[in-house]
Amino acid sequence: DTGVSQDPRHKITKRGQNVTFRCDPISEHNRLYWYRQTLGQGPEFLTYFQNEAQLEKSRLLSDRFSAERPKGSFSTLEIQRTEQGDSAMYLCAVQPPVGEKLFFGSGTQLSVL
Amino acid sequence: QKEVEQDPGPLSVPEGAIVSLNCTYSNSAFQYFMWYRQYSRKGPELLMYTYSSGNKEDGRFTAQVDKSSKYISLFIRDSQPSDSATYLCAMSVRGGATNKLIFGTGTLLAVQP
Repeated sequence: DTGVSQDPRHKITKRGQNVTFRCDPISEHNRLYWYRQTLGQGPEFLTYFQNEAQLEKSRLLSDRFSAERPKGSFSTLEIQRTEQGDSAMYLCAVQPPVGEKLFFGSGTQLSVL
Repeated sequence: QKEVEQDPGPLSVPEGAIVSLNCTYSNSAFQYFMWYRQYSRKGPELLMYTYSSGNKEDGRFTAQVDKSSKYISLFIRDSQPSDSATYLCAMSVRGGATNKLIFGTGTLLAVQP
């Protein structure tokens, strides 16, 4: 149990549709990350929250992507007007208040047809 | 050039063999080094965590960091079929604003019974 729950596990959508993923840290972690992983690659950083504040966004996060973390608890990642290139595993990770270790959820596998 | 380079494999070894996995990096500011194991369609699982140069052992796993050569290794002794997975190296900068991890591409390991 990594302490991070992600929903849904799998999402299949048609090009042009909007999708939203949710991340629920089981225990309170004030630092939360979203990563994207494509086949044969390592996870790539997308964005970082400290509590409810989004402190950093990667250049990978185009205007079609938006992430929120209301009240510093769960987080959502929305992709608008999905493209086939958005097909990937979207991973949420949390970091304890002290230390550098990241703990990942099982991810949401997105397939855009 | 990527900040973190990792041989993607695949690497196939017989059960009981000693496995050596390696990463090189270019950013001399990296000070925290981690190894993750990722099974198919799952999120990465933290295996080993080291800070700065030196060795760290945990059961059958040993992590080595050589900052002078910008080279890190993970050794697996007495490898088991259950060790078959993708192994990802990851590292971060000390005191960075976000503590985000930069990952290698991962090495796919298959341990044959």
